[in-house]
Amino acid sequence: QKEVEQNSGPLSVPEGAIASLNCTYSDRGSQSFFWYRQYSGKSPELIMSIYSNGDKEDGRFTAQLNKASQYVSLLIRDSQPSDSATYLCAPYHNFNKFYFGSGTKLNVKP
Amino acid sequence: EAQVTQNPRYLITVTGKKLTVTCSQNMNHEYMSWYRQDPGLGLRQIYYSMNVEVTDKGDVPEGYKVSRKEKRNFPLILESPSPNQTSLYFCASSEPGTPNTGELFFGEGSRLTVL
Repeated sequence: QKEVEQNSGPLSVPEGAIASLNCTYSDRGSQSFFWYRQYSGKSPELIMSIYSNGDKEDGRFTAQLNKASQYVSLLIRDSQPSDSATYLCAPYHNFNKFYFGSGTKLNVKP
Repeated sequence: EAQVTQNPRYLITVTGKKLTVTCSQNMNHEYMSWYRQDPGLGLRQIYYSMNVEVTDKGDVPEGYKVSRKEKRNFPLILESPSPNQTSLYFCASSEPGTPNTGELFFGEGSRLTVL
C-alpha cells in the first residue's frame, strides 16, 4: 500500500464548475497536510495547508480533513483554465517522513 | 526575495561523467532535501539534511551523494551518472518549529538527461 493515494486523473471539469480532488494516506501520525499545485515542468507551489479536522477555506480553495478516515480533499470553486495543473497531496509526519502523492491532473475546459 | 536556487537548470551529459547540481537557499532554513520526479512515480526523496553536517538517505539514494558544509548550500553529486538517473530534480528547504512546519519551498528544478 502506498503512503499516499491520489487518483491520477485527468479530472476534467468545465470552467466555473467545482473541482474535487481527493487523497488518502496511511500514516496515522501525520500532523499536517499540504496541497501543492504543479504546472507541467515547473516546481510545486503550496496552495493550502490544513492541520485540524474540518474545513479550511482560502479564496476559491477549500481543504477538508478527516483524520479518522485518513482522508484529505481539496475543492476548487469557480474553476478557471489557469487552475489546470497537477495537484500533489503531501501529509507531513516529521522531517524524517515526507510523503507526496503522485498527483491528480486537473483539466479545466473553457 | 526568499528563494531556493538550483543550477544548472538543464543539463545533458554522458554516462560516467561526474556532475554536481548546486542548491542554495537564502531563508536560513535548517532542513534541505533533494527529490527526483519521474512520470507516474511522483516526487521521491533522494537525500535530506536536518542541519550542517547532518545528512540522511531518503527513499532512492543509490547513485547519489550529498554534502552540507554550509547551512545555505546542499549540492547533489552524481559520481558516475547512468541513463536511469535521467529525471527532473528538485531541491527544497523548510524550517522546523514554525507555525507552518512541513511546508516545503522548492527550487525551480533541474532537468538532467544522461546519454
